[in-house]
Parts: sequence; structure tokens; C-alpha cells
Amino acid sequence: LAKTTQPISMDSYEGQEVNITCSHNNIATNDYITWYQQFPSQGPRFIIQGYKTKVTNEVASLFIPADRKSSTLSLPRVSLSDTAVYYCLVGEGSGGSYIPTFGRGTSLIVHP
Amino acid sequence: KAGVTQTPRYLIKTRGQQVTLSCSPISGHRSVSWYQQTPGQGLQFLFEYFSETQRNKGNFPGRFSGRQFSNSRSEMNVSTLELGDSALYLCASSLGYGRAGNTIYFGEGSWLTVV
Repeated sequence: LAKTTQPISMDSYEGQEVNITCSHNNIATNDYITWYQQFPSQGPRFIIQGYKTKVTNEVASLFIPADRKSSTLSLPRVSLSDTAVYYCLVGEGSGGSYIPTFGRGTSLIVHP
Repeated sequence: KAGVTQTPRYLIKTRGQQVTLSCSPISGHRSVSWYQQTPGQGLQFLFEYFSETQRNKGNFPGRFSGRQFSNSRSEMNVSTLELGDSALYLCASSLGYGRAGNTIYFGEGSWLTVV
């Protein structure tokens, strides 16, 4: 199974827009792409989910190209409280086999 | 609406012992999945249960097992503990199984330390 890859870390400043990209070459045909936020000693928290094109909610946007082999999480105007690890999740497999696969996480540090 | 609840939150076990972790899903969710999180391997899928049947399984040895009850609550068991089993074990629940649009929601996890 191909790996789901994302940058290890990113730095930003308050008020800036942050874009985190995840590559998932082997995503299952009917699966969605989901992004989570995780703070230390807590479970991952759902941010946004999509299948194709663009999805937007009150906290983020998700951009997915037509081939669905990557996705970009966009956080508008980040604040210090957005400092966390961000994970993408896709399902891999076919023919009845389904393995939810997380990226290794992107540690985002937001500076004042 | 209560979230996914996991017990215990923290536990310490000795090598060779076995451990059982519990998970109560969000009300109405019938699928429960388990994940192991370590600094070295990241978040890895263990298995998923729906309607008391294991539907999907990750690449873990047979020492890791689970079950689901008729009320959708789930337990996972690790036998013959090894030092490398020290990890955060996360339970997640969703309405259906196999993803394809089912959003999974995580609990806070159970921290297992093997000494």
C-alpha cells in the first residue's frame, strides 16, 4: 500500500493563511478525505471532510484535485490556538479490503 | 450528545501481562474502530467492528484482539504485553463502517505503559 505523506512541520504567524498538503496516491475509489487536529494528550478532533473539488466549513477549507491523489487543508487567519498536529486520513484498499491510513502528521506552530 | 468514551485513561502493566481497554461510542453509532498511536509509527489502524462483527483489520499480530457488544460498546485486548506495546490507544466511532463518507470521531484515548 502506498504511504500517505504530508510535511513534518510548518511555521506560521498569527493572522496568516496556512495550507497543508497531503499526498495519497492509493486512495480507495469511493473513500473520502478527512483532516483532524490533535493537541497533546488528546484524541484527534475532526476538522473537515470531502470527496472532490472544494469543501468549506466554519473553520477550514479542503481542496481536492480531480485525480484525488492529494488534498490541501487551508486554515484562514490562524491564531496561537491553532498550534497543533494536523493529520489527513484516507482509506486504502480494494476488493473488500479497507485500511484507514493516516499521514504522519504535520506539526503546525503559530508564532505571535 | 456525549462523545466517544474510553476507559481507563491511564494504566501501567508489566511485560507478559494482558490488558483490556473499553470504549463506548457516540449514541447511535454502530461502528467502532481502534487505533494505536506511537511516536515512531504514528496512528495505525488496528481493527473495526460493526454489528458485533469484525469488518476490517490492520497489520497487527494476533495478540491484539477486540470485540463488540450488542449495544455497540467495544473492548480491545492485548495479551502477552511487550515493551513496544506502550502507546496511546484510540477508539473511534461512526454511523456506518468502511468509511466512504462515514465520519469517524475519536475518544481521548487510553495511555498504556508497559514496564
